[in-house]
Amino acid sequence: DSGVTQTPKHLITATGQRVTLRCSPRSGDLSVYWYQQSLDQGLQFLIHYYNGEERAKGNILERFSAQQFPDLHSELNLSSLELGDSALYFCASSVGGAVGYGYTFGSGTRLTVV
Amino acid sequence: QQQVKQSPQSLIVQKGGISIINCAYENTAFDYFPWYQQFPGKGPALLIAIRPDVSEKKEGRFTISFNKSAKQFSLHIMDSQPGDSATYFCAASIDSNYQLIWGAGTKLIIKP
Repeated sequence: DSGVTQTPKHLITATGQRVTLRCSPRSGDLSVYWYQQSLDQGLQFLIHYYNGEERAKGNILERFSAQQFPDLHSELNLSSLELGDSALYFCASSVGGAVGYGYTFGSGTRLTVV
Repeated sequence: QQQVKQSPQSLIVQKGGISIINCAYENTAFDYFPWYQQFPGKGPALLIAIRPDVSEKKEGRFTISFNKSAKQFSLHIMDSQPGDSATYFCAASIDSNYQLIWGAGTKLIIKP
């Protein structure tokens, strides 16, 4: 167990629907990063939050949004889902705002859009 | 400038052999170079990392070699074992930039 908790582990939903993925960072970590990994693909950075504030945005679609709450957990909202959104979504956390401390990843949420 | 190019895409090595994965970068401002290991169905896990003030870092059977002038770094896995079969990602960042730039990954298979 990495200490980063992601729920749910699996999600199957229909096109056009909206889902929310949840991430609880390791105790003491202030940063949360969201990544998308399509089948046999690399890691696509979506967004980074540090202590409740958005710090960086990557290739995140306008249909996607995220936030980090005062208790530091984060949610990634995906709306108007398309077949191409099927992927593994990972959350990672780190103690500081800089990557030199290393990321700790959760086990991911596997989203299947049918 | 922001890319990290990783090769090969896939690699098959016999048990006991040396696995070598290479990465190259352009941005000379990068100052942190980690390697992550990912097993199927799991999130990537930090394996080993290096900063450009050293040319080599070793942890057990895993070694990072860093060539600043060539802007290249590589992961060597000595005495490769079937349990090392995984996807390996290199990455790079500027500490203050809060973001890792990832290589495309290498799928490593160790044949028993």
